[in-house]
Amino acid sequence: EAGVAQSPRYKIIEKRQSVAFWCNPISGHATLYWYQQILGQGPKLLIQFQNNGVVDDSQLPKDRFSAERLKGVDSTLKIQPAKLEDSAVYLCASSLRGGGARETQYFGPGTRLLVL
Amino acid sequence: GENVEQHPSTLSVQEGDSAVIKCTYSDSASNYFPWYKQELGKGPQLIIDIRSNVGEKKDQRIAVTLNKTAKHFSLHITETQPEDSAVYFCAASNERRESNFGNEKLTFGTGTRLTIIP
Repeated sequence: EAGVAQSPRYKIIEKRQSVAFWCNPISGHATLYWYQQILGQGPKLLIQFQNNGVVDDSQLPKDRFSAERLKGVDSTLKIQPAKLEDSAVYLCASSLRGGGARETQYFGPGTRLLVL
Repeated sequence: GENVEQHPSTLSVQEGDSAVIKCTYSDSASNYFPWYKQELGKGPQLIIDIRSNVGEKKDQRIAVTLNKTAKHFSLHITETQPEDSAVYFCAASNERRESNFGNEKLTFGTGTRLTIIP
């Protein structure tokens, strides 16, 4: 079974530029999560999708971050404009039915973003 | 909201010895506590979890204990091997049975970098 795919793996941009990350969850998984992992910290949930609907985006900085999952499969996360403090690893995860933390979340390898 | 503290931040253990990582949580309503292992360049992977209706769970060389009164839980790895070297994260959440999804986000600890010395 293929795991969660993410691209690109690495991205370097200058502050105020825009960047987009892509995630393809495990086939058949209804729930998709985006996490931000700053160096030396644990992952922090940014947004959770159930199929193509948003379940929780309470920790998403909506003035600069946006995410979509239009067809209920893959998803993109965008930052516009980027700030220095956005430097982090962005992890995508998916779970089968979306029982929140009740189900195992499978993580992708992440996209490492460096903002200069 | 929930706050999870994890100690130590780094841990070096001789191969074959045991390793213990401890976490405390603040929200008494939390009832689900998973542990994740993150290897270099990879995403976190669930290795074991425990729910608040049990005090201990074991899976081969890995065990987790939970003390609800003190609000802390621990990961125990016995007979450590070089492949156990990684960063380990604890997490906590409140599984609400009446909710099918949402509002049950995991709050992670800050991680422990475990190094097994051959």
